[in-house]
Amino acid sequence: DTEVTQTPKHLVMGMTNKKSLKCEQHMGHRAMYWYKQKAKKPPELMFVYSYEKLSINESVPSRFSPECPNSSLLNLHLHALQPEDSALYLCASSQGTAGYEQYFGPGTRLTVT
Amino acid sequence: GQQLNQSPQSMFIQEGEDVSMNCTSSSIFNTWLWYKQDPGEGPVLLIALYKAGELTSNGRLTAQFGITRKDSFLNISASIPSDVGIYFCAGQLGGYGGATNKLIFGTGTLLAVQP
Repeated sequence: DTEVTQTPKHLVMGMTNKKSLKCEQHMGHRAMYWYKQKAKKPPELMFVYSYEKLSINESVPSRFSPECPNSSLLNLHLHALQPEDSALYLCASSQGTAGYEQYFGPGTRLTVT
Repeated sequence: GQQLNQSPQSMFIQEGEDVSMNCTSSSIFNTWLWYKQDPGEGPVLLIALYKAGELTSNGRLTAQFGITRKDSFLNISASIPSDVGIYFCAGQLGGYGGATNKLIFGTGTLLAVQP
């Protein structure tokens, strides 16, 4: 089983709202990732968690706040977003952080109004 | 951020034709991955390559890890309508040594298959 699940599938939020994206995997993977993807572009890495610790923040604005409550769950808290933050947000996981393939979830389509 | 050169940018073919696409880099990678993405969905891993020169198949798909470790190609034989989508290559700089597992993605190849 190589399934990564994400909720919600779609999210519309205003610029003053606070919302959260959720990601879950039960493959025993110890690395989890958040990516942002614009239409017809490749995914862009935002954050990497390794063994539940944040190991990479790709200079993401503080209005995006990641959280890894345990080895199976990854959240992305959103606050005061801008319309240009509208995108497909993808979660991925891998067995470790070196030389392992990454498995992606179906994504959350976020629209900021 | 850094992206790999992937070509062609798009392909419009007839059902039954074979397809070939490739990725090139100025940097050496230790791993090459190929993904397919349908509209509004996440990328699905097709093939993973770990050794220079490695040739790996997955059904009608065949991918190779270039001998210089700076390129990779993906072939699809006898295309069918469900092959439609965007194909991304991705290279990993880190190997089995504790290096960070950042994926560098190609620019993508849009494949359209006409029945």
